[in-house]
Amino acid sequence: DAGVIQSPRHEVTEMGQEVTLRCKPISGHNSLFWYRQTMMRGLELLIYFNNNVPIDDSGMPEDRFSAKMPNASFSTLKIQPSEPRDSAVYFCASSPSYNEQFFGPGTRLTVL
Amino acid sequence: QKEVEQNSGPLSVPEGAIASLNCTYSDRGSQSFFWYRQYSGKSPELIMSIYSNGDKEDGRFTAQLNKASQYVSLLIRDSQPSDSATYLCAVNAGRGNNRLAFGKGNQVVVIP
Repeated sequence: DAGVIQSPRHEVTEMGQEVTLRCKPISGHNSLFWYRQTMMRGLELLIYFNNNVPIDDSGMPEDRFSAKMPNASFSTLKIQPSEPRDSAVYFCASSPSYNEQFFGPGTRLTVL
Repeated sequence: QKEVEQNSGPLSVPEGAIASLNCTYSDRGSQSFFWYRQYSGKSPELIMSIYSNGDKEDGRFTAQLNKASQYVSLLIRDSQPSDSATYLCAVNAGRGNNRLAFGKGNQVVVIP
């Protein structure tokens, strides 16, 4: 199994630009999670989907952030406009049940 | 009160010794408990899951759960330099919600 796939692995952009992060979950997993990790705040849940439906988006920082899951094999996290404080590592994880989550390699985002 | 707390600072252990990590959680109804290992610059990797009181052993790792006291611990026996990483405690509240709450992690350094 390929595991969770994320792209791009690294993204450097300028403040004000739109950023789109992509995730392909493990086949057969019905839950997908977007996390953000920084040194200061640790690993934070932004949003999660169950069967492609957003269940909990209380962690999304503000309206600049949006996430979609148009089908069971693809999700995007969009930041528009991006700000320097959005610089972090963004992880996608998927889960087959109400239990273990498996993480992708992450996208390291730098906003200048 | 934070949902999941890991209060210990970096832990340095000599090679071959036992590393002991502790984690407390606030939701008494929590159902599932996990330990993730994260190497520097990498994504979290699931190493242990535990669902009932007592000990669970897997190789050199032992997870211990005490729901009455609301803590979960991880023991690493015969520590190896390859165990040097940050260990994240994660808790799932259950009740139909598959969101995980993560602690900030404990860094372990195994000294050869």
